[in-house]
Amino acid sequence: DTGVSQDPRHKITKRGQNVTFRCDPISEHNRLYWYRQTLGQGPEFLTYFQNEAQLEKSRLLSDRFSAERPKGSFSTLEIQRTEQGDSAMYLCASSMIGQGLDTQYFGPGTRLTVL
Amino acid sequence: GENVEQHPSTLSVQEGDSAVIKCTYSDSASNYFPWYKQELGKGPQLIIDIRSNVGEKKDQRIAVTLNKTAKHFSLHITETQPEDSAVYFCAASMDSNYQLIWGAGTKLIIKP
Repeated sequence: DTGVSQDPRHKITKRGQNVTFRCDPISEHNRLYWYRQTLGQGPEFLTYFQNEAQLEKSRLLSDRFSAERPKGSFSTLEIQRTEQGDSAMYLCASSMIGQGLDTQYFGPGTRLTVL
Repeated sequence: GENVEQHPSTLSVQEGDSAVIKCTYSDSASNYFPWYKQELGKGPQLIIDIRSNVGEKKDQRIAVTLNKTAKHFSLHITETQPEDSAVYFCAASMDSNYQLIWGAGTKLIIKP
C-alpha cells in the first residue's frame, strides 16, 4: 500500500453516462497526477496539479474530461458522456516537489468499463 | 518530445537465474529514470529509481544502471523468485515538467 487511495476501484457504466473518480494522495504530497492505462500498454499522462493549480493537460484529455483539486488535497476526475473508448484503468499518483524529489507513488487505480 | 523504448516485451527465465530489461530514451534532458512493477489488477509500484548524476544503484536483488552517453538504462534482477513475475515498466522524466514518459512494459515470467 503506497498511501494513495482511489475510489471506486471498479466502475461499469453505460455509454453516454457521466462518471466521477476520486483520488486521495499521500497527505504531505503537493503534486497529483492522473494517468490512463489500457490493457497491455504503459500509463499515458492526462494531467497534473501542483497544490490546487492544474499545471498541464495532455491533448488526450478531451473536453469531456475535467479534473479538479479544489483544496490541494484530494482530486476528482470526471468523464462526461462516456464512450466505449474511455474503457481503461485510470491511475492517480502523487509526489512531493520542493526538495528535488519527484518520485511518483501510484494508487490501485479505477477500472472503468463502458458498455 | 521524449520517447522511451523498452525491450524485451516478454522475458521468461528459470527461477534463480538473472533477468535484465533494457530501455532507451531520446531526450538528453531527461534526468530521472524510475522502474515500476505492476501486478495484475493493481497500480504500478516503484521498485527502484536512478538520477542522471549516478551510474548505478542497487537495492538487494535489484539494480539499475544508466549510460547517459548512450541514453540507455537497464534493470537487473538477480536470484529471481516466483513473486518477481509481473509486468515491469521503465520511465523517464526531466525537471522541467516531471511528466513520466513510459516504456511499453516487459512481462517477466519466472519458471519454477
